[in-house]
Amino acid sequence: EAGVAQSPRYKIIEKRQSVAFWCNPISGHATLYWYQQILGQGPKLLIQFQNNGVVDDSQLPKDRFSAERLKGVDSTLKIQPAKLEDSAVYLCASSLRDRASYEQYFGPGTRLTVT
Amino acid sequence: AQSVTQLGSHVSVSEGALVLLRCNYSSSVPPYLFWYVQYPNQGLQLLLKYTSAATLVKGINGFEAEFKKSETSFHLTKPSAHMSDAAEYFCAVSDRSGAGSYQLTFGKGTKLSVIP
Repeated sequence: EAGVAQSPRYKIIEKRQSVAFWCNPISGHATLYWYQQILGQGPKLLIQFQNNGVVDDSQLPKDRFSAERLKGVDSTLKIQPAKLEDSAVYLCASSLRDRASYEQYFGPGTRLTVT
Repeated sequence: AQSVTQLGSHVSVSEGALVLLRCNYSSSVPPYLFWYVQYPNQGLQLLLKYTSAATLVKGINGFEAEFKKSETSFHLTKPSAHMSDAAEYFCAVSDRSGAGSYQLTFGKGTKLSVIP
């Protein structure tokens, strides 16, 4: 079974520029998550999708971050404009269903550096 | 909201020694608890999870964890450390969000170093 795919793996941009990350979850997984992991910290949830609908985006800085999940499969996360504090690893994860006991499968992440 | 505390941001053990990584949680309801491992430049991989079936949970790579309700703990152990165990370990609790969905709340992580 193929895992969660993410691209690009690394990205360096200047502040105020825009950037987009792509995620392809495991086939058949209804729930998709985007996390931000700042160096030395655990992942922090940004947004959660169930199929192609947003379930929770309460921690997404909506003035600069946006995300969508096309046709309930692939997802993109965009930052515009980027700030220095957005430097982090952005992780995508997917789960078969939205259940407390269900495992989340993580992609390798995109490491963003904002200069 | 539930929370997770991992004691010790960095733990060093000798190869062959016992590994003990500590995790305490706060929860007002019976929790679902998870341990994930993250190798450098990789995503998180599930080691094991507690879903109330048994208090002692066995996972991959020889790791196990014991759920202790009285201590609100879910410590991760491995009898004998191997060089390949060097990684960062995250404890997480499944929590219900205000929107009614299930989400993971992670601890800050413990970086394990294994000394030859």
